[in-house]
Amino acid sequence: EVHLLESGGGLVQPGGSLRVSCAASGFTFSSYAMSWVRQAPGKGLEWVSTISGSGGTTYYADSVKGRFTISRDNSKNTLYLQMNSLRAEDTAAYYCAKDIVVVPAMGTYIDYWGQGTLVTVSS
Amino acid sequence: DIQMTQSPSSLSASVGDRVTITCRASQSISSYLNWYQQKPGKAPKLLIYAASSLQSGVPSRFSGSGSGTDFTLTISSLQPEDFASYYCQQSYSIPPLTFGGGTKVEIK
Repeated sequence: EVHLLESGGGLVQPGGSLRVSCAASGFTFSSYAMSWVRQAPGKGLEWVSTISGSGGTTYYADSVKGRFTISRDNSKNTLYLQMNSLRAEDTAAYYCAKDIVVVPAMGTYIDYWGQGTLVTVSS
Repeated sequence: DIQMTQSPSSLSASVGDRVTITCRASQSISSYLNWYQQKPGKAPKLLIYAASSLQSGVPSRFSGSGSGTDFTLTISSLQPEDFASYYCQQSYSIPPLTFGGGTKVEIK
């Protein structure tokens, strides 16, 4: 059974940094691209970033490009999102998500989601 | 970037009703359209992929149709557990992986 467990969320001041993690189990982690999707309180879903199975290809939403870094450790079955220069508008639940392909491509979709970790950016 | 527009943004319906949610893409996305369900406080769940393919384990009362720019998600007979928010998502042109704004299905 696929299981994704996020951790590392919390309260951080504007301009600060935070790293959230996602521990994966139940599938061959390195064989699938992984994504982060966020949801601000009371709002819809917003894709943040995707990384290929090997970690060699990464994509970012314009809203986080240059501030966030996605990475993965396939030996630990863990996905990361390093968030720097945080802003109030980054406040959201951050979901770890498993893609159906190893490299992001046309037709991909997310088949499993974690329960999310809440990041609050406030002074 | 491709924009996804859902309508309505919310609706009220009764148990047993037939419910239809629409998703429109700003340009043709062939059949690269997926639907997710999200219950309050929970993670999203995949319902439909490639416009009309039912994800394993999803009840057959859910169905998807459409191609090009216009798509629909239909719930043939609304059940109490179906009250939730629903999101469409395109995967024709990535990145970004864009979602629609969501449709909240509430109890009448």
